[in-house]
Amino acid sequence: KAGVTQTPRYLIKTRGQQVTLSCSPISGHRSVSWYQQTPGQGLQFLFEYFSETQRNKGNFPGRFSGRQFSNSRSEMNVSTLELGDSALYLCASSQAGGETQYFGPGTRLLVL
Amino acid sequence: DAKTTQPTSMDCAEGRAANLPCNHSTISGNEYVYWYRQIHSQGPQYIIHGLKNNETNEMASLIITEDRKSSTLILPHATLRDTAVYYCIVSYPNTGNQFYFGTGTSLTVIP
Repeated sequence: KAGVTQTPRYLIKTRGQQVTLSCSPISGHRSVSWYQQTPGQGLQFLFEYFSETQRNKGNFPGRFSGRQFSNSRSEMNVSTLELGDSALYLCASSQAGGETQYFGPGTRLLVL
Repeated sequence: DAKTTQPTSMDCAEGRAANLPCNHSTISGNEYVYWYRQIHSQGPQYIIHGLKNNETNEMASLIITEDRKSSTLILPHATLRDTAVYYCIVSYPNTGNQFYFGTGTSLTVIP
């Protein structure tokens, strides 16, 4: 099976812009989670989607949002970008949530 | 809040066993112990997980103490490619994949 894929792999934006990141889970996986990784805060949970519904949310401002499509692919959006949003954004999938997660390679976002 | 405590860094000689400890003294009965590793700037890679019994797969062994308050990940014959940050995570099943990653252990395998 193909692994979790994320696009784009690298992205440069400027403050105030918005960005959309995409994640395709492993075939048959219905749960998709998103994480942010920064040098200062480490790996932090953003949110999880299952069957097109957000099931869990971490402690991030409303500028961070996401959605999941009927084919389980997921997107996350960050509006009004700030310098502090520069990070590696990771997507992980699992069959139904609550079990082993498999991570994608990540999207590295740089906000200038 | 991170539910686990790991040493910040460890060294291991190439070819020797690497033993990475993790303390999870507040673990509850239904929480699993997961181990992942992250090689610089890549996505975390699943290694192994367990509930009560010791587990072994092609990558590593997981030893969980009888009281489940701590565990050890064992890489039997460390290679240079095992240099990475290793994360120990405890997680309830069916909690919507909300993994809490601590700071992990930076393992350096020395030639």
